[in-house]
Amino acid sequence: AQTVTQSQPEMSVQEAETVTLSCTYDTSESNYYLFWYKQPPSRQMILVIRQEAYKQQNATENRFSVNFQKAAKSFSLKISDSQLGDTAMYFCAFRSMNRDDKIIFGKGTRLHILP
Amino acid sequence: DAGVTQSPTHLIKTRGQHVTLRCSPISGHKSVSWYQQVLGQGPQFIFQYYEKEERGRGNFPDRFSARQFPNYSSELNVNALLLGDSALYLCASSLRVSGANVLTFGAGSRLTVL
Repeated sequence: AQTVTQSQPEMSVQEAETVTLSCTYDTSESNYYLFWYKQPPSRQMILVIRQEAYKQQNATENRFSVNFQKAAKSFSLKISDSQLGDTAMYFCAFRSMNRDDKIIFGKGTRLHILP
Repeated sequence: DAGVTQSPTHLIKTRGQHVTLRCSPISGHKSVSWYQQVLGQGPQFIFQYYEKEERGRGNFPDRFSARQFPNYSSELNVNALLLGDSALYLCASSLRVSGANVLTFGAGSRLTVL
């Protein structure tokens, strides 16, 4: 069974600084998807970034980028020039390349951006 | 375009009761998935429905059931509620069943069981 582990329950960083959130996962599959989702106090889960395991190039979305290390089964999220609106719970997640929408989430990292 | 809408947003039930939660997907989306998020945890997959058929089921007891209607909206039903069923229930919709799908989540229904 696949598992997703986030070892940082909570982090704080000053506005405009760079922060990295860690994630490791376990799977025997060779092709899959990895995600970072953001959940602000409004509760709605928002997709931040997606990585296909068959792509060696790390995904980037504006201030958000990932460091995907397939052999090490590591998938960290870097937020550059952090903003107050980045304050939220961040979940690392895994999804198989099969036919259903089952996403396996980690327990999350609560990120505080301090003014 | 309206996003994924869920109702009710909050509700309180007592042990043993039954609850029905509703979800309307984004227009054009044919797949609906349900997740349970217990406080302090990540969401856990409960069900996926596509074209009114169950396409995936998580590790939840038979007290949990769901269905999808011809307009692609969905209901999640939970019978014989337990205190441990207290959680945020999230609905997500997507265009089709595919690993490349992007799921769009609703804001959830917060269920409290007393």
